[in-house]
Amino acid sequence: GAVVSQHPSWVICKSGTSVKIECRSLDFQATTMFWYRQFPKQSLMLMATSNEGSKATYEQGVEKDKFLINHASLTLSTLTVTSAHPEDSSFYICSAIRREGRQETQYFGPGTRLLVL
Amino acid sequence: GEDVEQSLFLSVREGDSSVINCTYTDSSSTYLYWYKQEPGAGLQLLTYIFSNMDMKQDQRLTVLLNKKDKHLSLRIADTQTGDSAIYFCAESGAGGTSYGKLTFGQGTILTVHP
Repeated sequence: GAVVSQHPSWVICKSGTSVKIECRSLDFQATTMFWYRQFPKQSLMLMATSNEGSKATYEQGVEKDKFLINHASLTLSTLTVTSAHPEDSSFYICSAIRREGRQETQYFGPGTRLLVL
Repeated sequence: GEDVEQSLFLSVREGDSSVINCTYTDSSSTYLYWYKQEPGAGLQLLTYIFSNMDMKQDQRLTVLLNKKDKHLSLRIADTQTGDSAIYFCAESGAGGTSYGKLTFGQGTILTVHP
């Protein structure tokens, strides 16, 4: 089946630093990827839609200057948390849309756990 | 905006059936999904149902959809300890800017006792 990977799987950083998280579709091309955030014991909240070759679309309340998204190729989207603070500590999950003919399926990555000290 | 709600906890004995319930508010939902999340892991798609269907069966899983009441349920037959996880229901919109964007419920923690 289709696989979506994320790197790193976990990261610890100091407050004020920037962290980049990669999301890759390993055996298919994805023009659309999504970034979600999940706080402990809560559901996933959509942060933004990452579109290959164009700007990301952010959900209401998500700061685009803080969460930089780059979808430079059909298999890679990156999320950079700039000037991270402890409240940004969360589980970040990406997903990618696979299109086969008329069928479209969304596959999720394993997630990246971010801890900001 | 859209809202999806689930009961938070369900505890069953191994071998029994589990039924996880979900309600949603968006009447334009096109697809409704059930995902499974094991500790520390991402999401695994279990099954989905198109909004014009009222039932879908896939091996041990049965999804029932009551579109009038906006109620979705997932039944797991012969529940095993390996089924212990968090189960999320999610809905996606009709297309356009809503396409592919999922709204998730809070998740139901299923605990299966031997």
